[in-house]
Amino acid sequence: EPEVTQTPSHQVTQMGQEVILRCVPISNHLYFYWYRQILGQKVEFLVSFYNNEISEKSEIFDDQFSVERPDGSNFTLKIRSTKLEDSAMYFCASSGIQSYEQYFGPGTRLTVT
Amino acid sequence: RKEVEQDPGPFNVPEGATVAFNCTYSNSASQSFFWYRQDCRKEPKLLMSVYSSGNEDGRFTAQLNRASQYISLLIRDSKLSDSATYLCVATSGSARQLTFGSGTQLTVLP
Repeated sequence: EPEVTQTPSHQVTQMGQEVILRCVPISNHLYFYWYRQILGQKVEFLVSFYNNEISEKSEIFDDQFSVERPDGSNFTLKIRSTKLEDSAMYFCASSGIQSYEQYFGPGTRLTVT
Repeated sequence: RKEVEQDPGPFNVPEGATVAFNCTYSNSASQSFFWYRQDCRKEPKLLMSVYSSGNEDGRFTAQLNRASQYISLLIRDSKLSDSATYLCVATSGSARQLTFGSGTQLTVLP
């Protein structure tokens, strides 16, 4: 069964450093998403991406964040200058063109020290 | 603010019990609804979509009441492996942005 994959599973970084989280969506999906979940809190939408551009973003997704599809398989989330409050689980998801069902990857746990 | 509200539980039930979870959503423009399950420190896994006519998948039945903006999930004959947090999810804005509830924790006891 096809699945979304994410790397790394855990990333530790110092405050102010840049991080790039990587995702490989399900191969025939065309919509891609990033969500985050701070420990003990709800899953929160960050951004959706379609046809090589951002289609929606939340208030959380400020200028420190960017997304990119650098090639035909990867989808990345970059945080330019990490803050302590960026520590969270980051989930990538994807969905097909005819379905609104989103399938999530296993997540990257980001710890900012 | 567009929210999805759930009873956080926890629900502790014996194996074989029937358990029901309820959820309300505030955005009347929401078009699509889902139940996900999330195991501790894992990703949300899609359990089922929820349709206006109600739908069933094995031991799981989901119902949607658009007039009341209310969604439910019924689990029959619960198994130990059903122990997880159940997330009620509605789309917000466009159909592609998911808003999650805070989840209802279920523990099925032997």
